[in-house]
Amino acid sequence: GAVVSQHPSWVICKSGTSVKIECRSLDFQATTMFWYRQFPKQSLMLMATSNEGSKATYEQGVEKDKFLINHASLTLSTLTVTSAHPEDSSFYICSARDFRAPGDTQYFGPGTRLTVL
Amino acid sequence: GESVGLHLPTLSVQEGDNSIINCAYSNSASDYFIWYKQESGKGPQFIIDIRSNMDKRQGQRVTVLLNKTVKHLSLQIAATQPGDSAVYFCAYGPYNFNKFYFGSGTKLNVKP
Repeated sequence: GAVVSQHPSWVICKSGTSVKIECRSLDFQATTMFWYRQFPKQSLMLMATSNEGSKATYEQGVEKDKFLINHASLTLSTLTVTSAHPEDSSFYICSARDFRAPGDTQYFGPGTRLTVL
Repeated sequence: GESVGLHLPTLSVQEGDNSIINCAYSNSASDYFIWYKQESGKGPQFIIDIRSNMDKRQGQRVTVLLNKTVKHLSLQIAATQPGDSAVYFCAYGPYNFNKFYFGSGTKLNVKP
């Protein structure tokens, strides 16, 4: 199946700093990428949907100025957590899909564990 | 988001038994449903999917049942193995993937 990578796989940062997480589709072009966050022992919560070349669509309650999403190419989307605080510590997962391709599933990255001290 | 659980329910089964994991979804506009398996510290892994024009679909050792009337989805795993131990999530949304939400999840614990 298609492969989606995330970098870094884990990051520890100080409160107040910004952290960038990359999501790449390695062997296909992702017209749409999705960003989720997951707290321990909880489900995945959709944060935003990003389409290549356009602004991301954020879910209700997700601060777009705090979670900056850029989907500049068909293989890369980035999520920047600005001025991170301990409550932003979470597991961030991206997924990607090529709407132009046959088949109807989305492929998930391995996730990025963010810990804010 | 639409689906946030306070904790994950756990289903414990003996190796070799069949497992049934249930999911209730809330979005009546959903017409596409997927079951994912998530191992600790990893991203979700696709298991099986079903569209709303079907009520049953079978894969290798897995079967998904859909009851649209009561908005209920189930995953049946035959001859459960220790390697099946993980958290299982249902996900649902419109087939065009404009919105895609996850259910609250169930932790499957397979005892050898």
